[in-house]
Amino acid sequence: GESVGLHLPTLSVQEGDNSIINCAYSNSASDYFIWYKQESGKGPQFIIDIRSNMDKRQGQRVTVLLNKTVKHLSLQIAATQPGDSAVYFCAENIMSNQAGTALIFGKGTTLSVSS
Amino acid sequence: SAVISQKPSRDICQRGTSLTIQCQVDSQVTMMFWYRQQPGQSLTLIATANQGSEATYESGFVIDKFPISRPNLTFSTLTVSNMSPEDSSIYLCSAKRQASSYEQYFGPGTRLTVT
Repeated sequence: GESVGLHLPTLSVQEGDNSIINCAYSNSASDYFIWYKQESGKGPQFIIDIRSNMDKRQGQRVTVLLNKTVKHLSLQIAATQPGDSAVYFCAENIMSNQAGTALIFGKGTTLSVSS
Repeated sequence: SAVISQKPSRDICQRGTSLTIQCQVDSQVTMMFWYRQQPGQSLTLIATANQGSEATYESGFVIDKFPISRPNLTFSTLTVSNMSPEDSSIYLCSAKRQASSYEQYFGPGTRLTVT
């Protein structure tokens, strides 16, 4: 099965609210995590990343929190806008079966922002 | 970042035929990957495309079904062979500049429908 999963498949928020998207992972050897945003008909777009030696990283309107104790990752989006509506995936960097390191993706959370 | 393009963007194919998807990166990259994203699902790594040697396949994917070429550092192809409706998916090309780099970029995907 997948080693990365998300708690909620969908999240609906009002414009201007803060959004929190959660992800649980199971591989304690993962050394790097990324959040991707995927809009309809497009490939995943890099949002923010964090290495396993950190517990927080901030970008523009986004913050990623990493709790290695409980193997939990979250993405916080401040002042959510309609343009933030998309599917969000967390991904972890692990040693794959065959190819060295590879990104393994969680199931995704669909964020819907209403005006 | 790396700009990745794919051709075709979408196709509808008949059962039993094969389709070759092309991936072009705007600059030389060390690593290229192919992922599959089934409708409403997350991304699953198919294989790592190695320049000058056979691709490295993940568990559940085989070369006879998904032959991959990588003739140089900017181009790769994935062929979906002897297609069945279960192969209907989005196929995504991905790349990393350096093997030691964590940042991984994605193309827009090829939406394949098999009838």
